[in-house]
Amino acid sequence: EIVLTQSPDTLSLSPGERATLSCRASQTIDSIFLAWYQRKPGQAPRLLIYGASNRATGAPDRFSGSGSGTDFTLTISRLEPEDFAVYYCQQYVTSPYTFGRGTKLEIK
Amino acid sequence: EVQLVESGGGLVQPGRSLRLSCEASGFTFDDYAIHWVRQVPGKGLEWVSGISWNGGKIAYADSVEGRFTISRDNTKKSLYLQMDSLRVEDTALYLCAKDFSFATITGVFDSWGQGTLVIVSS
Repeated sequence: EIVLTQSPDTLSLSPGERATLSCRASQTIDSIFLAWYQRKPGQAPRLLIYGASNRATGAPDRFSGSGSGTDFTLTISRLEPEDFAVYYCQQYVTSPYTFGRGTKLEIK
Repeated sequence: EVQLVESGGGLVQPGRSLRLSCEASGFTFDDYAIHWVRQVPGKGLEWVSGISWNGGKIAYADSVEGRFTISRDNTKKSLYLQMDSLRVEDTALYLCAKDFSFATITGVFDSWGQGTLVIVSS
């Protein structure tokens, strides 16, 4: 099973700042099999990025993904108030599909 | 608009059974694989099971293999999860999620329901 480790656990930033979230895989994975989701309390999770760098339909262009091998990054270029949430990375190389434990992005 | 609405959760004793349902609308249900993902309150997401568009391919997480059974009824646009021999550690919010790609299983989830809560406790 591929284990994903996200860092930091919590990131405290202000609106307008840049956010950088990391996801490290326990083994090399093809970047086409890495996704990022946003989770807000009381709402359904939302797909943001798939294939490591492809924005999902409806995802704002301030969200971008990058990385390869074992290290992947989600960047939010300029934080909006609605961006404060928990973010999960996920691998889908093969089942069982696994998620990281999440990074909570909170308002500073 | 894609909608997925889960139901069937509740409080159940360890060792008992429960059947969850997920009703879909807003897309051609029988074109897509569908999955169950769970989230323990305050913790992360765990993929539980997935089923292909026609039910011909099914997969489970090791933690539920042999106890849970996923199925679908395309005529009713519905997904099910039969959960037997429930354990305390199965307590979670269970969400159904639509697969991203047409007629195949990718493991990318592009639409989700809000979930139904299952509590396993004596």
